[in-house]
Amino acid sequence: GQNIDQPTEMTATEGAIVQINCTYQTSGFNGLFWYQQHAGEAPTFLSYNVLDGLEEKGRFSSFLSRSKGYSYLLLKELQMKDSASYLCAPVTNNAGNMLTFGGGTRLMVKP
Amino acid sequence: GAGVSQSPSNKVTEKGKDVELRCDPISGHTALYWYRQSLGQGLEFLIYFQGNSAPDKSGLPSDRFSAERTGGSVSTLTIQRTQQEDSAVYLCASSSVTKSNIQYFGAGTRLSVL
Repeated sequence: GQNIDQPTEMTATEGAIVQINCTYQTSGFNGLFWYQQHAGEAPTFLSYNVLDGLEEKGRFSSFLSRSKGYSYLLLKELQMKDSASYLCAPVTNNAGNMLTFGGGTRLMVKP
Repeated sequence: GAGVSQSPSNKVTEKGKDVELRCDPISGHTALYWYRQSLGQGLEFLIYFQGNSAPDKSGLPSDRFSAERTGGSVSTLTIQRTQQEDSAVYLCASSSVTKSNIQYFGAGTRLSVL
């Protein structure tokens, strides 16, 4: 089965760094996606990890440890526009395209 | 098209009526997904189409829900005899193995059942 755990809400200050953790248990696993979703909008792709380690992309980085069932999203130099929900989504089929989404972490960035 | 297109963007219906929601995926994407998102909640998987294979319907909540995908492109999600608990945003996404299976989402259809 699938079990995904991430914090419901986080608050951080503009310019700071925040780390959003995600732990998961899935019956099949083939990578993990992170999506960003602003209120009232569709989710948009942020990152995809298929191997263990850190993937860096500008202000956003994502880390994966498959053996520990653990991932995190790191946001640096926070901006007000980063206030959104961040969805952790492990892949759960061998074809690599079925995702199970966590409930999301709502991040509020304050001045 | 350039992105995933969904229509209508908003739908208000009366309890007991049937509704049809449409999704037009990105051209060339073989996989298409439907999700449901209630207010303040995460995404709930409904159904998945991959090419000409039989769809994965494991997420459909009841037999009032059905979906089809014609010609491997446009998909229609049908909800029969709508109930108030069906009120949610229905999101469609499509993906391609040549694009790392990244799912691209449409803007969704906000369904309100009165």
